[in-house]
Amino acid sequence: EVQVLESGGGLVQPGGSLRLSCTVSGSTYSDYAVTWVRQAPGKGLEWISGIAGRGGSTYYAETVKGRFTISGDKSKNTVYLQMSGLRAQDTAVYYCARGNSWEPYGTFAVWGHGTMVTVSS
Amino acid sequence: QSVLTQPPAASGTPGQRVTISCSGSTFNIGSNHVYWYRLLPGTAPKLLIYTNNQRPSGVPDRFSDSKSGTSASLAISGLRSEDEAVYYCAAWDDSLSVWMFGGGTKLTVL
Repeated sequence: EVQVLESGGGLVQPGGSLRLSCTVSGSTYSDYAVTWVRQAPGKGLEWISGIAGRGGSTYYAETVKGRFTISGDKSKNTVYLQMSGLRAQDTAVYYCARGNSWEPYGTFAVWGHGTMVTVSS
Repeated sequence: QSVLTQPPAASGTPGQRVTISCSGSTFNIGSNHVYWYRLLPGTAPKLLIYTNNQRPSGVPDRFSDSKSGTSASLAISGLRSEDEAVYYCAAWDDSLSVWMFGGGTKLTVL
């Protein structure tokens, strides 16, 4: 059974950095696309970044472009979301999901339970 | 700002059929699959259904979807109290190479 586990959330000051991890078990993550979605308190779901499988392209929402970087470590079956220049508006639960194919626009049926990021002084 | 437009709320009584709409553009809904997710407080998003009634295993056929042009809808028949949740539509946008989500529809079972 494929499972996804996010980690790395926590409290960080405005302007600070944090690296989130998304570990995929039960499959070789690099064959599949991985995506990050967040939900700020009282708000809806917002897609923020994705990486295609097979060492493919990366994609970012305008709200995080230039501040967040997505990457993968095949040896650890883990996708990372490096976040810098964090703002209060980045406070959210961050969810990771694995796709059913290498394509970034495919079906994402396996989701983690999320990790909370709080940006506050 | 959500590019896909959903009504903020919907409601129904047990046993009823309710529909939730999702409106987009030719670059997203008009060109790609539309996915519907359910979100309960404190839980991971759950994929319910996507274009032409494709359901992950375990999702009952009370959930159905449809798409026409740049609009899509989710229908829930035989409404149950456990269906009370927030429902989101999503579609890939070819022009921006990003995922678009709707703002979410909070479904209340009266």
